[in-house]
Amino acid sequence: GESVGLHLPTLSVQEGDNSIINCAYSNSASDYFIWYKQESGKGPQFIIDIRSNMDKRQGQRVTVLLNKTVKHLSLQIAATQPGDSAVYFCAENFSGGYQKVTFGTGTKLQVIP
Amino acid sequence: DSGVTQTPKHLITATGQRVTLRCSPRSGDLSVYWYQQSLDQGLQFLIQYYNGEERAKGNILERFSAQQFPDLHSELNLSSLELGDSALYFCASSPTWRELPDTQYFGPGTRLTVL
Repeated sequence: GESVGLHLPTLSVQEGDNSIINCAYSNSASDYFIWYKQESGKGPQFIIDIRSNMDKRQGQRVTVLLNKTVKHLSLQIAATQPGDSAVYFCAENFSGGYQKVTFGTGTKLQVIP
Repeated sequence: DSGVTQTPKHLITATGQRVTLRCSPRSGDLSVYWYQQSLDQGLQFLIQYYNGEERAKGNILERFSAQQFPDLHSELNLSSLELGDSALYFCASSPTWRELPDTQYFGPGTRLTVL
């Protein structure tokens, strides 16, 4: 069945370094991808999205890369800050018929001061 | 603040009981989604409503049910509760159900503890 997974459950990064969080998806028909950030005790928060007709999209300090050939998604965070510490989820969205969003398990990002 | 509200914030109950979780979507959003998040688990999609009608079902148990009312708020009913139902339950809303992108805005969640 459809699934979205993450390669690394926990990622520790030094403050100021760049972080890269990876995600694999299995549904080649997925046409929209989203990264969410979930801080402790809070609900997931939208970070950045990308449509399947794009390979790269940049936001403020974040960049999402999409490689449809290998069904891989990554989130790059530049100059990681302590406030970036959270669990990051990728989600794939297949809009055929109705919206169907599948979330990955999540990667915990720990920023070391 | 996402604009999505959920009540109660915490709920402690016993096995076999029934509880109701409430969600108010962002102003103008017609879709409501319910998710379950267990410890060290990802978000498990339960069910989606759009403008009062059920649109999609995920891994929702038969003991669970939901509805969306004319004012667009939604309730998730959990019955015959088991210890394994202890989890965070999130509600999310989005403007539509078909248009891309359909970013979902999440509420703060309800933490359910079944003893």
